[in-house]
Amino acid sequence: LAKTTQPISMDSYEGQEVNITCSHNNIATNDYITWYQQFPSQGPRFIIQGYKTKVTNEVASLFIPADRKSSTLSLPRVSLSDTAVYYCLVGDPSGSARQLTFGSGTQLTVLP
Amino acid sequence: GAVVSQHPSRVICKSGTSVKIECRSLDFQATTMFWYRQFPKKSLMLMATSNEGSKATYEQGVEKDKFLINHASLTLSTLTVTSAHPEDSSFYICSSIQGLANEKLFFGSGTQLSVL
Repeated sequence: LAKTTQPISMDSYEGQEVNITCSHNNIATNDYITWYQQFPSQGPRFIIQGYKTKVTNEVASLFIPADRKSSTLSLPRVSLSDTAVYYCLVGDPSGSARQLTFGSGTQLTVLP
Repeated sequence: GAVVSQHPSRVICKSGTSVKIECRSLDFQATTMFWYRQFPKKSLMLMATSNEGSKATYEQGVEKDKFLINHASLTLSTLTVTSAHPEDSSFYICSSIQGLANEKLFFGSGTQLSVL
């Protein structure tokens, strides 16, 4: 199972771009990288997923270097409502959720 | 995205009672659902994998007689916490996997269980 390492917490201000990096040194060939957002007392919500290079959707971008040993979630112009815990998961989507182990996550706090 | 509905959102019960939590997939058929447990300010821990029409697979350290899982249809999985005790108080979350290659997890809103 690919273990992930993220910063425990980050602070930012409204309107800034936030980059959260996740390390996954033992990522396997079939593994994808997926990021989830969780607000207090709610289930996690899918943000973005990628395999390599760069992926962008309406809420975030995901940058993955060629060696895939890390990935960076980029949130453009954050607002107060982006305060949440962000989890990076690495696993083979065709396998089982048992492979999609949640790490400690990163508590992002957006300040006014 | 796919919608997973979880009920109840919050339950308070007396020690020794059993509590049932339901997880429904509203717009897709979920042959597999997953149950997680989360303590305050901690990450999610996978408890078990629920398979439609067969027995659930429990993670190491999770008591199958304590946490009964039933997945009788393609849209409904239930978790019953039997003879609940205060140490069972936690946030329970279900999820299902979907996507063209089963690549995304969709989560329910969670159930906060408080055992008095």
